Amino acid sequence: NAGVMQNPRHLVRRRGQEARLRCSPMKGHSHVYWYRQLPEEGLKFMVYLQKENIIDESGMPKERFSAEFPKEGPSILRIQQVVRGDSAAYFCASWRSGYQETQYFGPGTRLLVL
Amino acid sequence: GQQLNQSPQSMFIQEGEDVSMNCTSSSIFNTWLWYKQDPGEGPVLLIALYKAGELTSNGRLTAQFGITRKDSFLNISASIPSDVGIYFCAALPPAADALNFGKGTSLLVTP
Repeated sequence: NAGVMQNPRHLVRRRGQEARLRCSPMKGHSHVYWYRQLPEEGLKFMVYLQKENIIDESGMPKERFSAEFPKEGPSILRIQQVVRGDSAAYFCASWRSGYQETQYFGPGTRLLVL
Repeated sequence: GQQLNQSPQSMFIQEGEDVSMNCTSSSIFNTWLWYKQDPGEGPVLLIALYKAGELTSNGRLTAQFGITRKDSFLNISASIPSDVGIYFCAALPPAADALNFGKGTSLLVTP
């Protein structure tokens, strides 16, 4: 998975709690994408960020979900007041600006909402 | 986003056989990528294609970017048990930021 790191790998939350998922892109990469994968499905785009900027959040639910990629530190995908339907695998991908469009994925965070 | 139709949905083959899977769409794309995902892991890039008509190999894997820019195929020759997994096509539309993914082809290889 080419050095993209995600943590935690597994996260269990009760309904109504908050979930925070972290992603550190590959060294030298300043673009981060978040995708969600439901069982038996492909990956669905959620949000695209550069450092300190949200470029495209068209795939992210309007409520309860937010994402950031601060100047220092990892990108964070935050889900407030989780519901059972939020249970899924969340993947982060990174690529380096100026290169051909190839995205490298992290190992994912598996979120289970009880 | 533009839908990618990936087929077959699953394949059950014997070791040594060749495998072919494809993705089609009614939309055009600038980039086609093929990934493999093992259980509990993230997708791993197998082959990237950037030009219509491009044919690229990576060991026993060969993929092509369709001349119409609306499709791509992936072939695996002489399959082995470790080829087991789910294979996804992904494509980048013109002037877009994010990849569209197919629903995957689940490959099972028996010794």
